[in-house]
Amino acid sequence: KQEVTQIPAALSVPEGENLVLNCSFTDSAIYNLQWFRQDPGKGLTSLLLIQSSQREQTSGRLNASLDKSSGRSTLYIAASQPGDSATYLCAGRNYGQNFVFGPGTRLSVLP
Amino acid sequence: NAGVTQTPKFRILKIGQSMTLQCAQDMNHNYMYWYRQDPGMGLKLIYYSVGAGITDKGEVPNGYNVSRSTTEDFPLRLELAAPSQTSVYFCASIWKETQYFGPGTRLLVL
Repeated sequence: KQEVTQIPAALSVPEGENLVLNCSFTDSAIYNLQWFRQDPGKGLTSLLLIQSSQREQTSGRLNASLDKSSGRSTLYIAASQPGDSATYLCAGRNYGQNFVFGPGTRLSVLP
Repeated sequence: NAGVTQTPKFRILKIGQSMTLQCAQDMNHNYMYWYRQDPGMGLKLIYYSVGAGITDKGEVPNGYNVSRSTTEDFPLRLELAAPSQTSVYFCASIWKETQYFGPGTRLLVL
């Protein structure tokens, strides 16, 4: 059964810093992995989806990578801004199965 | 498009009461999901549906029921509310592997 973890649980950085959020999964037969952003009291917003055949995806200041052999995905945020403060969750899916979510990393970008 | 909508936003229930959490989507997506999110935890799948008339259990289905009579609507029923069902409930639909979430329903069972 796929298991997904995210470390650290919380992270604080000064504005302008580049940062990396980590997501680990146990089953390398992953079909795809999705990164989400969740603002307090809100639903989840999809940021990036990486298929198993891809190694990375980019959207604006965000870049997500997928390394199946090491069981890791990273979300890179360039030139962080206070508006990036939120909880970031990753979710992995094996073929024919449902998504498994990590617990999330709560990011605070300080002005 | 309104996307995925959920009602109510917040509800307090007494132990043993019943209620239905409503979820609707106007994107004509076949796949729909119900999750619960507890503090500091990831989302847990309660039930899902691959199309009208077809539903299946997820990881934590006990105490819940669902129906899917139309493509648009996917209500979640709590029959006998228990304190362990205090949580935030999210409905989602999927298109081409991307999940679209509703704003959530916060439920408190006292």
